[in-house]
Amino acid sequence: EVQLVESGGGLVHPGGSLRLSCAASGFTFSSSWMGWVRQAPGQGLQWVANIKRDGTEKYYVGSVRGRFTISRDNTKNLVYLQMDSLRAGDTAVYYCARENGSSGYDYWGQGTLVTVSS
Amino acid sequence: SYEVTQPPSVSVSPGQTASITCSGDKLGDTFVCWYQQKPGQSPVLVMYQNNNRPSGIPDRFSGSNSGNTATLTISGTQTMDEADYYCQAWDTKIFGGGTKLTVL
Repeated sequence: EVQLVESGGGLVHPGGSLRLSCAASGFTFSSSWMGWVRQAPGQGLQWVANIKRDGTEKYYVGSVRGRFTISRDNTKNLVYLQMDSLRAGDTAVYYCARENGSSGYDYWGQGTLVTVSS
Repeated sequence: SYEVTQPPSVSVSPGQTASITCSGDKLGDTFVCWYQQKPGQSPVLVMYQNNNRPSGIPDRFSGSNSGNTATLTISGTQTMDEADYYCQAWDTKIFGGGTKLTVL
C-alpha cells in the first residue's frame, strides 16, 4: 500500500524557516518524481515544486523560487521542502504527492499545516 | 503567467449529468488531470491524461480536452460526488481555481 506521510509543519514567524518532510512507502521511491502542493485556508490547490527521480532536476512556482528548496534522500525514501523567508501568504496545508509519469499526482499525503504569523 | 479557469460552482440534481469545464489558452495541447476533494480530505485523482480513469474511479466519470477547454463529465451524478473539483494542466502543473459541485 502506497503511503505518504508529511511532517514538520507548525507556527513560524514571518521571515523564519521550516523544513517539511514526507516519508514514502509502498512503492519504489527512486523511480518516481515527487511534488509538493499547498492549499491556503479556504482556497484552492497550488502546485509548489517537484523533483526528478534522482534529484537532478527541480522546478518551482514563481512565488517560492529562491525561498524554497525541494530535495530528496532516496536511501531513506524521504522528500523535503526547505522553506526560508516565510511570509504570511505561505500559510497553507502542504501536501506531498507522487507523480505517476504524465498521469497526474496519483497518491497524496494527509498534509501538514504551516502557519506564518507574528 | 499561464492561467486555468474553472466556474466557481456547478449544481446538478441526483441522477443527472454534471459538466465541469476548465479553460486555458491552447489547453488541448497538454494533458489535463482532474482531482476530487471532499471537506477535510486530501485530493483524489479522478481523471488523468484527459480521459483516463484511475483504478477504483467509477465509469460515470469521463473527460475530454480539446482546443482551449477540458471538461469533466459525471453521468448519473450521485450525492457522494458532491465535492470540490480541480483541473490541472500537466505541462505547467498549474491548477484551476476549483469548482464546487453541489448535488441537490
